[in-house]
Amino acid sequence: GESVGLHLPTLSVQEGDNSIINCAYSNSASDYFIWYKQESGKGPQFIIDIRSNMDKRQGQRVTVLLNKTVKHLSLQIAATQPGDSAVYFCAENTNAGKSTFGDGTTLTVKP
Amino acid sequence: DSGVTQTPKHLITATGQRVTLRCSPRSGDLSVYWYQQSLDQGLQFLIQYYNGEERAKGNILERFSAQQFPDLHSELNLSSLELGDSALYFCASSVAPQSGELFFGEGSRLTVL
Repeated sequence: GESVGLHLPTLSVQEGDNSIINCAYSNSASDYFIWYKQESGKGPQFIIDIRSNMDKRQGQRVTVLLNKTVKHLSLQIAATQPGDSAVYFCAENTNAGKSTFGDGTTLTVKP
Repeated sequence: DSGVTQTPKHLITATGQRVTLRCSPRSGDLSVYWYQQSLDQGLQFLIQYYNGEERAKGNILERFSAQQFPDLHSELNLSSLELGDSALYFCASSVAPQSGELFFGEGSRLTVL
């Protein structure tokens, strides 16, 4: 199964299901977007990025979708595993270089 | 391991005191960023340095200051500490000032009592 919707602060999924984490960004001038994963007690780690001239980018088990019309970004995780449990942040960048982070979504994977 | 080193990992101090947090960026990275993360909060951008010069400023309080030294390490100074300053302070680095991918350290957890 999948969970899709507006930005939620928490998301709980069964192991093996697909996860979708949403993010709304605010700056129309943002041209580069990144998803970070923050595990408990650690700093954020890069997962995947996308530039504004693209609407989809795929990595290993992860896909990022960008909808510039509604300023919306999503991260899809296929076959979610317990190790995916973490807080996920989207970040938007303008050409000034500053990364602005979203509020974060806590993903919990149930065995 | 991101290659970014932060010290100390934990720090407990009293209100009114001053502390210094230290960050060594990844080898070769010229840009250093400081972020504050309060409990259950997102990451708030404080300040960015590139090759020793301040490049961008976020919501950094006047009681806080930072600098980047010639060897590219950076320090964040927090003074006249208040209870609300208790947070995780992250340093991140990148190669260029406009590089979006940031490499984060493990953070310094500051507790103000």
